[in-house]
Formats: sequence, structure tokens, C-alpha cells
Amino acid sequence: DGGITQSPKYLFRKEGQNVTLSCEQNLNHDAMYWYRQDPGQGLRLIYYSQIVNDFQKGDIAEGYSVSREKKESFPLTVTSAQKNPTAFYLCASSIKGNYGYTFGSGTRLTVV
Amino acid sequence: AQSVTQLGSHVSVSEGALVLLRCNYSSSVPPYLFWYVQYPNQGLQLLLKYTSAATLVKGINGFEAEFKKSETSFHLTKPSAHMSDAAEYFCAVRQTGANNLFFGTGTRLTVIP
Repeated sequence: DGGITQSPKYLFRKEGQNVTLSCEQNLNHDAMYWYRQDPGQGLRLIYYSQIVNDFQKGDIAEGYSVSREKKESFPLTVTSAQKNPTAFYLCASSIKGNYGYTFGSGTRLTVV
Repeated sequence: AQSVTQLGSHVSVSEGALVLLRCNYSSSVPPYLFWYVQYPNQGLQLLLKYTSAATLVKGINGFEAEFKKSETSFHLTKPSAHMSDAAEYFCAVRQTGANNLFFGTGTRLTVIP
């Protein structure tokens, strides 16, 4: 079955360390997105990519980086510059046009 | 600019009662509108979407929503709540030609037995 896979589901890191969250899709979707979710704040867009080798900053890109070397993959790196990285991170994908997203099951990152 | 406002961060209903979750949008042109549901520690699942066809949209799990341009609203309803409906619900908007969805802050639905 087609879908989006995020791994790992839970991730613990020490403060000051970079960490990379994986997102893979086999839906043949062109666009991929990363959102951060905090209680009471809904979903905030970190980065998105419409095509391979191209991506744009979202509303809260500071302290994050991404790459899009393959259509299927859109990894997110949370750098040490991100001041409050503990959150639930959601990856999504969509086809071009005015359609909704398909979401992964999320990665809960805890920085201690 | 486009935005979404969900009135009520928490809604409680009794089992079997009507569910009404409110969503108002702000957009210069009629947008595409979506409702998603999220269960704890999971991703979001699409419930239904409005894409300028019928104004009354039926979704999964017995939910439906009505697009009302005059009220700039897209409220989500279900005639009879089930315990399994307890979750967080997000309204989202996407303007024609826009690259991404804008999400509301969510409404947590509690169903009381």
C-alpha cells in the first residue's frame, strides 16, 4: 500500500546535537511538507518542496534544514540553532493542484 | 491573505448528541477547504474536502460540512457522536494556486458516555 513513513516515532537527543528526521513516500507525490505541532498552536509550516532539488522556507524555518535529492524522500534536520526543538513533527505530501495532504504518523522529538 | 479560525479549542458532547465544530475562513477568493482528524500521537487523516463542487460535502465516519460563502464558514457536523469520534479536528484552507495549506489551531472533541 502507498503511504508516507516517518521514522523514528520517538526520538530523544541531548541539547546541542543535530538530529535528522526521516520522511519517505511511495505515493509518487511531487510536493512534500514538514510541519511542527505544539499544543494549542496547531500546525506550523517549517519547509516545503514542490519538486526535487528545490525547497522553500515556511513560517518557522529558523534552526531547521532540509534536502530533496529524491522525489520519495524529504529529510528534516533539527539543528542546535533551534531554540526549542521539543515537539511533534509531521511530514506530508500531495500531488500538484488544489488537493489536500497525506500525512505520516509523526515523530515526537524530545531534547533533554 | 488566507487564514482559518476554529472557534472553541475544546468541545464536549454526550454520546449520541449532535457534533458541531466551527470553522471560518478568510480568503479573497473562494478557497479549497478541508477537515482533518488527528488521534493521539498519530498523523492527520482527511475527513472531507470542499473543492467548489457541491456546497454540502460528505466525508468519512458520518461527518459532513457545508460551505457557506455568505458566512465564510465551513462547519463540521455529525448527527450522532460516538465514543470513537473523540479526537482533535483541524480545519484547513488552500487558496487556488497557493503552494500549501493553512491550518486552524484545532478543536479537541470529547465525547461523554
